Amino acid sequence: AQTVTQSQPEMSVQEAETVTLSCTYDTSENNYYLFWYKQPPSRQMILVIRQEAYKQQNATENRFSVNFQKAAKSFSLKISDSQLGDTAMYFCAFMRAAGNKLTFGGGTRVLVKP
Amino acid sequence: NAGVMQNPRHLVRRRGQEARLRCSPMKGHSHVYWYRQLPEEGLKFMVYLQKENIIDESGMPKERFSAEFPKEGPSILRIQQVVRGDSAAYFCASSPVRSGQGNEQFFGPGTRLTVL
Repeated sequence: AQTVTQSQPEMSVQEAETVTLSCTYDTSENNYYLFWYKQPPSRQMILVIRQEAYKQQNATENRFSVNFQKAAKSFSLKISDSQLGDTAMYFCAFMRAAGNKLTFGGGTRVLVKP
Repeated sequence: NAGVMQNPRHLVRRRGQEARLRCSPMKGHSHVYWYRQLPEEGLKFMVYLQKENIIDESGMPKERFSAEFPKEGPSILRIQQVVRGDSAAYFCASSPVRSGQGNEQFFGPGTRLTVL
């Protein structure tokens, strides 16, 4: 079974600054996908970024980028130029390439301060 | 194209009653997934359905919980004889094809169930 661990329950960052969220996972699979989801106070789950394990290049989506270290089973999310609208819970998630379900970490609450 | 719709958004039940949660996937999506989020925790997979078939129910509690996705109409997650521990947010997601290969699951806004 796969497990996903987010060791930071809560982080705060000043507007316009950068914050990095950590995520580690455990799997015996070689081919899989990793995701970061954002859950604002509305509770709607929004996909932020996705990484394919067989791709060495780190994924980037505008102000969001990841640092994927396959050997270390680490998948951190960097939010650059933080905005007030980035305030939310952030969940790291794992999916086997041949699977159909997401395994989520416990989440990190991010608070962007003006 | 409307997103995934769930209703009701909030549901209050007394212990022992039944709860029925509905999920209408995005248009053209025939794969539905249910997840449960307990307070201050991440989402936990419950069940994966295609039209008229349960594909993976490895996350479903053995008793009181059932799910269906009929040929016509929404997917239903049914909880019989609810207990206080069932209080949680229940999320539905859908995808146009099987979600393997990293295909995105699109989430609904969730149903918050409160058991008194």
